[in-house]
Amino acid sequence: GAGVSQSPSNKVTEKGKDVELRCDPISGHTALYWYRQSLGQGLEFLIYFQGNSAPDKSGLPSDRFSAERTGGSVSTLTIQRTQQEDSAVYLCASSLGPRGVYNEQFFGPGTRLTVL
Amino acid sequence: AQSVAQPEDQVNVAEGNPLTVKCTYSVSGNPYLFWYVQYPNRGLQFLLKYITGDNLVKGSYGFEAEFNKSQTSFHLKKPSALVSDSALYFCAVLPPGGYSGAGSYQLTFGKGTKLSVIP
Repeated sequence: GAGVSQSPSNKVTEKGKDVELRCDPISGHTALYWYRQSLGQGLEFLIYFQGNSAPDKSGLPSDRFSAERTGGSVSTLTIQRTQQEDSAVYLCASSLGPRGVYNEQFFGPGTRLTVL
Repeated sequence: AQSVAQPEDQVNVAEGNPLTVKCTYSVSGNPYLFWYVQYPNRGLQFLLKYITGDNLVKGSYGFEAEFNKSQTSFHLKKPSALVSDSALYFCAVLPPGGYSGAGSYQLTFGKGTKLSVIP
């Protein structure tokens, strides 16, 4: 079956520009997560959506970062006024739910963001 | 706060030899532990998890991991390495309550170990 998909796979932008990264979770998965993977920092949690509940934004590094999840499915991560330190691979994951045996998270291939 | 340590940035092993990728954790209470693998230019793939029960967990592609509470370790093992096992391996922990209660659902990852299997 279809897994988690992300687009674009690569994005090169200039410092100061805004970017939007898209994630399509596995159909039926109510939980969606964004992580950032950068050299020397490993994988960092950014934001979490569960159903219609308010998202957990505790991992967002600054107010330049925001995310939405429309209709409980597709999610968009937006980075405003990009900085060079935003360069990383942004990974999206989804799971059936946050708890119980359904917490196993399935990851997409990621979007590699390069800020020049 | 929970943390995960993978003490080796890189592990090299000859094809056919057993492999071990080390992971130790720090968390209050009973941990839920995971191993993921990342192949080049690919997302993370789930390998196995420990929730409760038998300390030896078997997962995908012939991998297994042993939970050792006294040593707070969850080392990944495979009896006979393949060249195709060469990849980046991540250990991760879910805080207590994350599976059955109102605890955090955030996976905390180690920094990863690059495994190279030499033909």
